Amino acid sequence: DTGVSQDPRHKITKRGQNVTFRCDPISEHNRLYWYRQTLGQGPEFLTYFQNEAQLEKSRLLSDRFSAERPKGSFSTLEIQRTEQGDSAMYLCATSGTGGANGLDEQYFGPGTRLTVT
Amino acid sequence: AQKVTQAQTEISVVEKEDVTLDCVYETRDTTYYLFWYKQPPSGELVFLIRRNSFDEQNEISGRYSWNFQKSTSSFNFTITASQVVDSAVYFCALSEAFNTGTASKLTFGTGTRLQVTL
Repeated sequence: DTGVSQDPRHKITKRGQNVTFRCDPISEHNRLYWYRQTLGQGPEFLTYFQNEAQLEKSRLLSDRFSAERPKGSFSTLEIQRTEQGDSAMYLCATSGTGGANGLDEQYFGPGTRLTVT
Repeated sequence: AQKVTQAQTEISVVEKEDVTLDCVYETRDTTYYLFWYKQPPSGELVFLIRRNSFDEQNEISGRYSWNFQKSTSSFNFTITASQVVDSAVYFCALSEAFNTGTASKLTFGTGTRLQVTL
C-alpha cells in the first residue's frame, strides 16, 4: 500500500502525559500537513511542512504542540502535558507540488484518534 | 479569512434518488481551489475532486457531478441514482494558492452527513 500511513491508530492517555504520533507520506510527496478533527466538525489546519521546513503553524497549535519532519520524509506530532480538550482525531495529509512531486491535492491518512482521560 | 459553509447538516434519501449537497464559500483571493472529500464510516477522508477558481466548467464523473458558480460562490455536488455505499459525511474545502500557483492548506466546512437507505 503506497498511501499515507499513521501510527498509532488509537491512543488513550491520561491527562498530563506526553504523546507522539507519526505520519509516513506518499513517497514522492514533499508537502505534509497536520489537521485536527473533533466530533461533528471538519478538519482544522494545524501546521504544514515543505520538505523538512515547517512553513506555517496555526494559532490552534499551542506551545504544548510540536511537529517535526526530519529529512523531509516522515513527520511526528508531539503533544506535551495533554489536556482533555486535546481529545480529537489527528489527521495527516500529503501532497506534491506538481511534476515529479505529484499533484497538489491532499491525500489523507487514516488518522490517530486521541482520547485523554 | 476564508470560510466554507455547508448548511445541510444531514440528508436522508432512498436509494436511486438524486441528491445535491450544497457548498458556499468566502474568500478574498482571486486565485483559489475548491475540493470535495468523502469520509465514510471507516473515517479516512477520500479525495473526490479539485477545481481551480479560473475554471468554471462543470464536471461529471460517473454518478457524481459538480457545479461551480463563481457568481454565487457555490460549488455544489450532485450524486445521481444514489446507492447505499454513498452513505458518508461529505466535506467541501477551500484552499488559497501558494505563490507557485499550487493549492495550500485546506479550510473545511462542517460537512453534510448523507444517509442512503434501501
